[in-house]
Amino acid sequence: QSALTQPRSVSGSPGQSVTVSCTGTSTDVGRYNYVSWYQQHPGKAPKLLIHDVSQRPSGVPDRFSGSKSGNTASLEISGLQTDDEADYFCCSYGGTYTPFVFGTGTEVTVL
Amino acid sequence: EVRLTQSGAELKEPGESLKISCKASGYRFTDYWIGWVRQMPGKGLEWMSIVHPGNFDRRHNPSFEGQVTLEFDASINTAYLQWNSLQASDSAIYFCARRLHVDGSPFDFWGQGTLVTVSS
Repeated sequence: QSALTQPRSVSGSPGQSVTVSCTGTSTDVGRYNYVSWYQQHPGKAPKLLIHDVSQRPSGVPDRFSGSKSGNTASLEISGLQTDDEADYFCCSYGGTYTPFVFGTGTEVTVL
Repeated sequence: EVRLTQSGAELKEPGESLKISCKASGYRFTDYWIGWVRQMPGKGLEWMSIVHPGNFDRRHNPSFEGQVTLEFDASINTAYLQWNSLQASDSAIYFCARRLHVDGSPFDFWGQGTLVTVSS
């Protein structure tokens, strides 16, 4: 299964909003409402930000929101803060024997 | 508090064997899947293999099948990733992570990562 496609980088100024896209196929993103997003700061482990397309785990600020349309999922970060500067990875369920299809990753830069 | 505590960094030579560990605490080990994710230098995340310690069910990424072995010891809440013969291309950070026993669930908690360097 091929990796989901994400833009290499996106950037924004503090307080602005940025959107990270994640494009898959009809066998993963398009088929299941099981898209998750992870934030990874340099040298750290990934942290779950969003699951089931748009659900936030406890403790994740509501500045982070997820959505999906067809084969493309999106992560919006509103009110951008300097601590949001990190790599972001999407991930989709691809079926019983392909439980994880990760995205290529996007570096978010706060200008 | 849920914690996944991984063993320390390793420096190995090509052809050597290696077993790294991931000790779980703060939850019932047999209620969740546990798996491993590789991150090569400067690259993205790749899931390798997951196992359910409660029913021994397993899933493998075909890209890694035959290269590594995922084992666990439920008596000490620990999962392992093992290589019989390392190659330079195995140099990476390896994360363990847990997943709820529901299809479609994400990895919700992660270990801190184990850096494996394979070099002669």
